[in-house]
Amino acid sequence: NAGVTQTPKFRVLKTGQSMTLLCAQDMNHEYMYWYRQDPGMGLRLIHYSVGEGTTAKGEVPDGYNVSRLKKQNFLLGLESAAPSQTSVYFCASSSQAGGFYEQYFGPGTRLTVT
Amino acid sequence: GNSVTQMEGPVTLSEEAFLTINCTYTATGYPSLFWYVQYPGEGLQLLLKATKADDKGSNKGFEATYRKETTSFHLEKGSVQVSDSAVYFCALSSRGQNFVFGPGTRLSVLP
Repeated sequence: NAGVTQTPKFRVLKTGQSMTLLCAQDMNHEYMYWYRQDPGMGLRLIHYSVGEGTTAKGEVPDGYNVSRLKKQNFLLGLESAAPSQTSVYFCASSSQAGGFYEQYFGPGTRLTVT
Repeated sequence: GNSVTQMEGPVTLSEEAFLTINCTYTATGYPSLFWYVQYPGEGLQLLLKATKADDKGSNKGFEATYRKETTSFHLEKGSVQVSDSAVYFCALSSRGQNFVFGPGTRLSVLP
């Protein structure tokens, strides 16, 4: 099993450009998540999805949009990139929400906005 | 709301030293507690977990005990190796709710 995969692994954008990050999971999980990781701040939840066709805002949703058109895919979009969005982005999935159900993480996408 | 506090480090140890990384939490109800590890250039992977008070999670020589009376879940290992160098995240999760992660503790083990 591939688990959770993310594309691309690295990307450099200029301010104002747009891009989409793709997350795919092959574990048939209902729940999927997008986090950003910044030095000294741990992981912060951007958006999440509790099933195909549904999305919800997390802790830091501004400047991002998401879509979950297929159960196995969760897309994160930046419509107009800003330097403050320079970060490492992680996608995760889980079979249930919370409790003792662990989250499985992808390898991350390192995004730099200049 | 739920929150997790852990020592931020960095922690630098010599090989075969004893490791403790402190983690305390604030939560309503009875959350599950987790330690995740992130090796350089990789995503997070589950190291161990405990789902109720007094449970001990263990994996790869690491241990942590769910202490409800002190709201703690400290990570320990008796003899660290260079290959344990990584960032360690404490996290909690209540049923039906999203995960809450601590800021991470960077561990460097010197040969």
